[in-house]
Amino acid sequence: AQSVTQPDIHITVSEGASLELRCNYSYGATPYLFWYVQSPGQGLQLLLKYFSGDTLVQGIKGFEAEFKRSQSSFNLRKPSVHWSDAAEYFCAVGALFGNQFYFGTGTSLTVIP
Amino acid sequence: DTEVTQTPKHLVMGMTNKKSLKCEQHMGHRAMYWYKQKAKKPPELMFVYSYEKLSINESVPSRFSPECPNSSLLNLHLHALQPEDSALYLCASSRIQGRGSEAFFGQGTRLTVV
Repeated sequence: AQSVTQPDIHITVSEGASLELRCNYSYGATPYLFWYVQSPGQGLQLLLKYFSGDTLVQGIKGFEAEFKRSQSSFNLRKPSVHWSDAAEYFCAVGALFGNQFYFGTGTSLTVIP
Repeated sequence: DTEVTQTPKHLVMGMTNKKSLKCEQHMGHRAMYWYKQKAKKPPELMFVYSYEKLSINESVPSRFSPECPNSSLLNLHLHALQPEDSALYLCASSRIQGRGSEAFFGQGTRLTVV
């Protein structure tokens, strides 16, 4: 069965510090992987996606993610966090057929000055 | 244009009311979705339309009735809701259903049932 695990419910970082949000997936075939960000009361915005090819993926707002098949992981990183990055982050795995996305439970990011 | 537009942004309705949520996209996407999201939780899939036909109904109560009048529009008709149905309702679209096609989400409708 497909599933996505985000082990960290909540993370607090200082502005300017680096960030890594963890995502582990379980999927029977080659996964399609996504990271979305959601500000309070807003919709979800796609940060980046991985389908195939280069395992290091660049996204918007300075984010990147690395696909590691051996670890079934797709961790999101940013070298220097800005206060505006405070939000909820969802990792998702896309299905080849049927249900579009399996979302992780989300990681809430707080950025302190 | 990569927008999915949802109206209204906020809705308060009584348990005996009938209301509708609307969603529109002009990206030529042929798959459209309704999700329900409670606070601090991930979105939960409710319905999927593929080429204007209902493809997935995730055992949603009949008080929620989706409609896809054409390839650009998606409605969610609400009737006799319960307070526990209060949530953020998100519409999304993707080029096609599945095959890793990324979804574009609207800003959501914040629904409060009183």
